[in-house]
Amino acid sequence: KQEVTQIPAALSVPEGENLVLNCSFTDSAIYNLQWFRQDPGKGLTSLLLIQSSQREQTSGRLNASLDKSSGRSTLYIAASQPGDSATYLCAVPYAGGTSYGKLTFGQGTILTVHP
Amino acid sequence: DAGVTQSPTHLIKTRGQQVTLRCSPISGHKSVSWYQQVLGQGPQFIFQYYEKEERGRGNFPDRFSARQFPNYSSELNVNALLLGDSALYLCASSTAWGGGYEQYSGPGTRLTVT
Repeated sequence: KQEVTQIPAALSVPEGENLVLNCSFTDSAIYNLQWFRQDPGKGLTSLLLIQSSQREQTSGRLNASLDKSSGRSTLYIAASQPGDSATYLCAVPYAGGTSYGKLTFGQGTILTVHP
Repeated sequence: DAGVTQSPTHLIKTRGQQVTLRCSPISGHKSVSWYQQVLGQGPQFIFQYYEKEERGRGNFPDRFSARQFPNYSSELNVNALLLGDSALYLCASSTAWGGGYEQYSGPGTRLTVT
């Protein structure tokens, strides 16, 4: 059974800091890993998708890395802004059985960036 | 282009009642997945449908059911509502079935059971 863990559970930083969010998963048989952002009470916004064959993916100030063999991914946010405040979730699709599209999510990291 | 849409936005029901939630995927997307997100937790997988067939089911009781229509929209039904069913229900669509496809979420339906 795939389990996804995110550390830290919450993070509060001053504006301008570079920060790293961590995600670990127990089963390395994954197709890809997806990072999402969620604002309070809202749906999920897809930030980055890293295929299992990739090691890194970048979008603007965001950079995500994937180490499949060790079951880890990190999301790096450069020069954080108050607008980055949200919950960040990582998710992996199940590569076993028949539920190929099933995403298993971590609990999320609640990020607060204060001015 | 329109993203994933869900209706209604909010819903309040009483224990024992039944509810139907609706989802329209992104145009061209043939797969729809449903997730339940209880406050403070990550989303939990309920169902995935592709080409009108169920392709995956999570660990939820039979009170939960779903279907997909020829236009790829989907409905999630929950019978005999319990207080514990109160959650944000998310629908996500992808171009096809399988683990290699990026999923795009709708805004969610907030269900409150009293």
